[in-house]
Amino acid sequence: QKEVEQNSGPLSVPEGAIASLNCTYSDRGSQSFFWYRQYSGKSPELIMSIYSNGDKEDGRFTAQLNKASQYVSLLIRDSQPSDSATYLCAVIGGSQGNLIFGKGTKLSVKP
Amino acid sequence: EAGVAQSPRYKIIEKRQSVAFWCNPISGHATLYWYQQILGQGPKLLIQFQNNGVVDDSQLPKDRFSAERLKGVDSTLKIQPAKLEDSAVYLCASSLSGTNNSPLHFGNGTRLTVT
Repeated sequence: QKEVEQNSGPLSVPEGAIASLNCTYSDRGSQSFFWYRQYSGKSPELIMSIYSNGDKEDGRFTAQLNKASQYVSLLIRDSQPSDSATYLCAVIGGSQGNLIFGKGTKLSVKP
Repeated sequence: EAGVAQSPRYKIIEKRQSVAFWCNPISGHATLYWYQQILGQGPKLLIQFQNNGVVDDSQLPKDRFSAERLKGVDSTLKIQPAKLEDSAVYLCASSLSGTNNSPLHFGNGTRLTVT
């Protein structure tokens, strides 16, 4: 089983700050990377996907990928209390090319 | 567009009993997934269907878990007999094609408690 590692947190940031969420993966052949947000008691929802090295920006969210370091991150600018959730890193990997999730990082944005 | 429908939302059973979960994917989505999410963990894939065929069930505990997708639409996941460690949220997801660029859409899940 290929691994996806995340710091479980909780990560606490004040409102308006930048939240930085990190993820490493073990399958060097992985090509597709995703960030899902999961509110407590709810199902995961896709917020970002990234496939090539570098940065990808979407509103207040920026995903960063470094395949050489096997590292993917998510930056949330101008963090809001509504961003408080668990953020799941997911990677397409394994022999079947399935979506493998990390354990998630719990983010808390304090007003 | 209607989302992925799952039922029931909650289920409490005693160990050694059996239970079944139902999923109706988004219309037109060929690929259907069942994930198990234990509290504090990320979702773990149990089984993936492409239409009505199994693509991957390598992490499905086949001595107690079974799943089917008749006619390539609805799916059921069954546990018989249940163990305490099966307590988790069971998430169904679907995607248009199952390729890397086809995002997964999750249902609200079924929260199972085994006592």
